[in-house]
Amino acid sequence: GQQLNQSPQSMFIQEGEDVSMNCTSSSIFNTWLWYKQDPGEGPVLLIALYKAGELTSNGRLTAQFGITRKDSFLNISASIPSDVGIYFCAGQLGGGTSYGKLTFGQGTILTVHP
Amino acid sequence: DADVTQTPRNRITKTGKRIMLECSQTKGHDRMYWYRQDPGLGLRLIYYSFDVKDINKGEISDGYSVSRQAQAKFSLSLESAIPNQTALYFCATSDPRRGYTFGSGTRLTVV
Repeated sequence: GQQLNQSPQSMFIQEGEDVSMNCTSSSIFNTWLWYKQDPGEGPVLLIALYKAGELTSNGRLTAQFGITRKDSFLNISASIPSDVGIYFCAGQLGGGTSYGKLTFGQGTILTVHP
Repeated sequence: DADVTQTPRNRITKTGKRIMLECSQTKGHDRMYWYRQDPGLGLRLIYYSFDVKDINKGEISDGYSVSRQAQAKFSLSLESAIPNQTALYFCATSDPRRGYTFGSGTRLTVV
């Protein structure tokens, strides 16, 4: 089956720094999603990307759908303590939607020091 | 009340025991899923159901079974629990307009 490789596995940064993480796949996805998981909770959608090359922002978050459809990155600018959590990328084969089966990356654990 | 409710939130069980994890949703979504989360592995799909009469295996269905009792209810069973089934389990629903909604998870420990 499809596999997503997400990196880095963990990051320890100072408040105010920018963060970048990415996912690569051995096969093509038609939709890329980025989720955040807080302790004791399920993942919550941050950004959805539906077209190759698409660049989308949500506040301090920016994500891009790679032109080859095999990769995506997420940037967080000016990090704050509440950015702490686990970030997951997820890919979906179904085009133009975000509601079918998802394949998840391994997650990036983000720690922000005040 | 939460849109997707999982019970129990935490469970410790012994090897060989049968256990059921329950999920109910108030979102009216047709599609429901069970995922398992392990450290360093992300979330992996166990089973999914696109409507009440539709049940499909995911990538790691061995050792698990599911029941879709109604549109709002999707339960996951471990017929004979083993220690490597110790994990965090998530139920989720989805619809075309709003994507996924995850429950808060069930932390299962098999001793």
